[in-house]
Amino acid sequence: KAGVTQTPRYLIKTRGQQVTLSCSPISGHRSVSWYQQTPGQGLQFLFEYFSETQRNKGNFPGRFSGRQFSNSRSEMNVSTLELGDSALYLCASSLVTGQNTEAFFGQGTRLTVV
Amino acid sequence: QKEVEQNSGPLSVPEGAIASLNCTYSDRVSQSFFWYRQYSGKSPELIMSIYSNGDKEDGRFTAQLNKASQYVSLLIRDSQPSDSATYLCAPFGAAGNKLTFGGGTRVLVKP
Repeated sequence: KAGVTQTPRYLIKTRGQQVTLSCSPISGHRSVSWYQQTPGQGLQFLFEYFSETQRNKGNFPGRFSGRQFSNSRSEMNVSTLELGDSALYLCASSLVTGQNTEAFFGQGTRLTVV
Repeated sequence: QKEVEQNSGPLSVPEGAIASLNCTYSDRVSQSFFWYRQYSGKSPELIMSIYSNGDKEDGRFTAQLNKASQYVSLLIRDSQPSDSATYLCAPFGAAGNKLTFGGGTRVLVKP
């Protein structure tokens, strides 16, 4: 059974540009959550999508957005990139949303903003 | 107070010994708790989930949960050098309806 697939694995962007990251969840999983990981802040929740609807959103500016498609694949977009957006972006796939649901992470996308 | 607190370590243990990792959380209504292992440069890997008070064992790992004390722990028995990683505690917060991660405990197993 294939795991969670994130593309691309690495990205280098310039300040002010925008970027789109992709996540394909485990087959049959309908929930996708996105996290940002930095050495200083650790793992921080960005948002969760379930059945194409955003269920929950973390404390990030509106430059961070996402969406989910009918096949459960998800994308997140960051506009007007800042140096501080350099991080490992992780998506996690779950069968359903809510308590008692195990979440499995993809390999992540390492974004560097220069 | 942080929502999830873990000792950052490093926790240094000799090979074959027991590593004991602790985690406290602030959300009293959390019902499910997860431990992830993260190797340097890699993504987190789910190693344990626990939902009820008491102990849950899976191979060399034992998770312990005490909801009244808002405390969850992970024991790694017969520690191996391959267990050297950062271990992340993640309660599922009912209030925020999301996993909230602690800063992680770095474990070093010395041969």
